[in-house]
Amino acid sequence: QKEVEQNSGPLSVPEGAIASLNCTYSDRVSQSFFWYRQYSGKSPELIMSIYSNGDKEDGRFTAQLNKASQYVSLLIRDSQPSDSATYLCAVNRVKLIFGTGTRLQVFP
Amino acid sequence: DAGVIQSPRHEVTEMGQEVTLRCKPISGHDYLFWYRQTMMRGLELLIYFNNNVPIDDSGMPEDRFSAKMPNASFSTLKIQPSEPRDSAVYFCASSPEGYNEQFFGPGTRLTVL
Repeated sequence: QKEVEQNSGPLSVPEGAIASLNCTYSDRVSQSFFWYRQYSGKSPELIMSIYSNGDKEDGRFTAQLNKASQYVSLLIRDSQPSDSATYLCAVNRVKLIFGTGTRLQVFP
Repeated sequence: DAGVIQSPRHEVTEMGQEVTLRCKPISGHDYLFWYRQTMMRGLELLIYFNNNVPIDDSGMPEDRFSAKMPNASFSTLKIQPSEPRDSAVYFCASSPEGYNEQFFGPGTRLTVL
């Protein structure tokens, strides 16, 4: 079992819809969780961090954490074509353990 | 504020040559990380430093790879001798504290012919 697992996609959603990206992790002691966005040919860009169970909202982005189920998700509301990118889930045990990423495509 | 700075942005070299990648972390960040990204293996941590001291180098693929951090504002990743399988994008990232967010530099795209 991989330490951090994501569906590779692509996940295709129409403009204006909600995109839901999911991630599971294997280490129960993990405390810090992050979502990075990576455009093709660019470096990962931090978009959300979450440390406690529940939801955390920032603009159109909502991160959800369920430590009992070892599950982290990212919701993108009102998806835009500019959101098309690969989204990387990461678990931090000082060193970041990344999932392989989910490619999101938002079509007009 | 300037982000993480990496140089060069692109490097093309021939097999057997020495390659040195450079990184300047964000000022005040105590942690520095070196990652490698390939299509096949995704993002992999190679090594990280805390206060200029290497803490975990378990991700360094072999003895051909070495990393140093002589001071708080500079780090190098060296590959000697380079091989075609080292071709990848190498990212440097820094963080103010170990469990906090990490901020990535623009990366160095390395091609070994």
